[in-house]
Amino acid sequence: AQSVTQLGSHVSVSEGALVLLRCNYSSSVPPYLFWYVQYPNQGLQLLLKYTSAATLVKGINGFEAEFKKSETSFHLTKPSAHMSDAAEYFCAVRPPNTGNQFYFGTGTSLTVIP
Amino acid sequence: EPEVTQTPSHQVTQMGQEVILRCVPISNHLYFYWYRQILGQKVEFLVSFYNNEISEKSEIFDDQFSVERPDGSNFTLKIRSTKLEDSAMYFCASRPGQGGSPLHFGNGTRLTVT
Repeated sequence: AQSVTQLGSHVSVSEGALVLLRCNYSSSVPPYLFWYVQYPNQGLQLLLKYTSAATLVKGINGFEAEFKKSETSFHLTKPSAHMSDAAEYFCAVRPPNTGNQFYFGTGTSLTVIP
Repeated sequence: EPEVTQTPSHQVTQMGQEVILRCVPISNHLYFYWYRQILGQKVEFLVSFYNNEISEKSEIFDDQFSVERPDGSNFTLKIRSTKLEDSAMYFCASRPGQGGSPLHFGNGTRLTVT
């Protein structure tokens, strides 16, 4: 079965500092990979996706993620955190050719300290 | 930009009552999903729906749950006899269906069972 691991349920960074949110997946075949952001009392909004094109993917709000097959990772980064980045972030995977289900990580809550 | 819309935003019901949560997916999308999120916890898959039938469902999606696409635009989740532990945010999502297309989420229905 697929699994998605997000290391660190809570991450705090200072405003202007680098944001690094970790995501590892288990799959013998590279899956489709996604990062979503959830602001309080809202739905999940797509930040970016990897679908077997470029390994470095740029998303909205200055976020990017790099697919590393050798490490089965898809970590999310942003060079400089803004207060508005405080939210819950979810990594998700969908294995290719094995059904329609998306598997979500347990989420990482990002706090930005002024 | 087209959106997934969910109604109501908040539903309060008594234990044992039936509830119907409603969703209007994006019009040209082919795959439809329900997820739930118990307060502060992970996003859990309930069911996926394609071509007018359930394509996958999780262990959570037992006989108390059902889904329907009655008229080509709405997609509903019914819980026949609600339990206290059904209290959660329920998210509807849809996607077009091509390869690595991402899920598009609605803003959710907060279900409170008393």
